[in-house]
Amino acid sequence: DTAVSQTPKYLVTQMGNDKSIKCEQNLGHDTMYWYKQDSKKFLKIMFSYNNKELIINETVPNRFSPKSPDKAHLNLHINSLELGDSAVYFCASSQWDRVDNEQFFGPGTRLTVL
Amino acid sequence: KQEVTQIPAALSVPEGENLVLNCSFTDSAIYNLQWFRQDPGKGLTSLLLIQSSQREQTSGRLNASLDKSSGRSTLYIAASQPGDSATYLCAVRTGANNLFFGTGTRLTVIP
Repeated sequence: DTAVSQTPKYLVTQMGNDKSIKCEQNLGHDTMYWYKQDSKKFLKIMFSYNNKELIINETVPNRFSPKSPDKAHLNLHINSLELGDSAVYFCASSQWDRVDNEQFFGPGTRLTVL
Repeated sequence: KQEVTQIPAALSVPEGENLVLNCSFTDSAIYNLQWFRQDPGKGLTSLLLIQSSQREQTSGRLNASLDKSSGRSTLYIAASQPGDSATYLCAVRTGANNLFFGTGTRLTVIP
């Protein structure tokens, strides 16, 4: 019973390509997130979606676009991939109005841009 | 802007030792603080969450404390085991539901 799942687990692609990473949560949460973990293992928020509305965009290039077809899914589309996009991308979810708003993370997608 | 720092960056201890990991944050206006564990090539597992109104939380051999006014948290691991070897991350939640992560402490417990 995977709570937050991501596909693919590994993604290797050439510069300039367009790719997508999918995320699904079965926790019934109303908020989902995308984080990027760089080569130095530093995790940083990219996007947050609450009830299908974008509520955070931490100055991420517009080549990155989150798309949420429904509350349980938040996919990450990346256009014109660059070498610097190589990282591990984590999806997470939480319930916005819960007091603790604990976030639950997916297993990550390791993106390598050649 | 919130900045979260963890010290030390890496720690090696013999099995059975008790140890403390440190986390500090610059803006005390937080809602809560979460400690995570990350195994190599894996995702994040939530260990403990402390609300801003709480002083500590315990789960098994783990105890996390929070001193919000001084911007500090500690994660205490009792009787360490080789299976505790992982990277430990702390993260603080701000009003925007954003999690700011620390740089992590890589723990190695030597059998």
